[in-house]
Amino acid sequence: GDQVEQSPSALSLHEGTDSALRCNFTTTMRSVQWFRQNSRGSLISLFYLASGTKENGRLKSAFDSKERRYSTLHIRDAQLEDSGTYFCAAEAGGSNAKLTFGKGTKLSVKS
Amino acid sequence: GPKVLQIPSHQIIDMGQMVTLNCDPVSNHLYFYWYKQILGQQMEFLVNFYNGKVMEKSKLFKDQFSVERPDGSYFTLKIQPTALEDSAVYFCASSLGGAGSDYTFGSGTRLLVI
Repeated sequence: GDQVEQSPSALSLHEGTDSALRCNFTTTMRSVQWFRQNSRGSLISLFYLASGTKENGRLKSAFDSKERRYSTLHIRDAQLEDSGTYFCAAEAGGSNAKLTFGKGTKLSVKS
Repeated sequence: GPKVLQIPSHQIIDMGQMVTLNCDPVSNHLYFYWYKQILGQQMEFLVNFYNGKVMEKSKLFKDQFSVERPDGSYFTLKIQPTALEDSAVYFCASSLGGAGSDYTFGSGTRLLVI
């Protein structure tokens, strides 16, 4: 099965509301990276975490430092420009140098 | 921030022909990757590359695929011959270190095989 499971697969929000996206990993991961893909297909890196939490404006991400089996992305006060597909991608341990992506969460923010 | 540049952004090619996708990684990065994405779906790992060698490739990296980075030039993905199912967006990425580094992705090359 998939190593990286993202939920929900799709989400519709009204402007100004808050939400959380989640990634579960079927195995312990070394690090996680969150991306947003816009309508033109460009992949924008939001966060890279090897542990703990990071915050940037209205976005905040956390990586479970204890068991390293899930990560979350919180969106506060959603805006229209937050619309897009959000991907999490994780890297397993060892010398394995590759990211494994989830299937993405398609977020639509409406006015 | 530092960017990965991909050339061309779009390519249309006849089935059976050869195509080369070019990637200019972040200048001090040492590890390079290709990913394939079909119709905005999941990003699928193809191959990683370090020190002139392929380290790992997935089952999607068919025998018709090859990668190289001659000194001082682009990191390339060559498909020869192309097939209809190769139509996808191909993303290049680079990272400074291998495992444990964050990745910088390019904007993708949209390949259409007709």
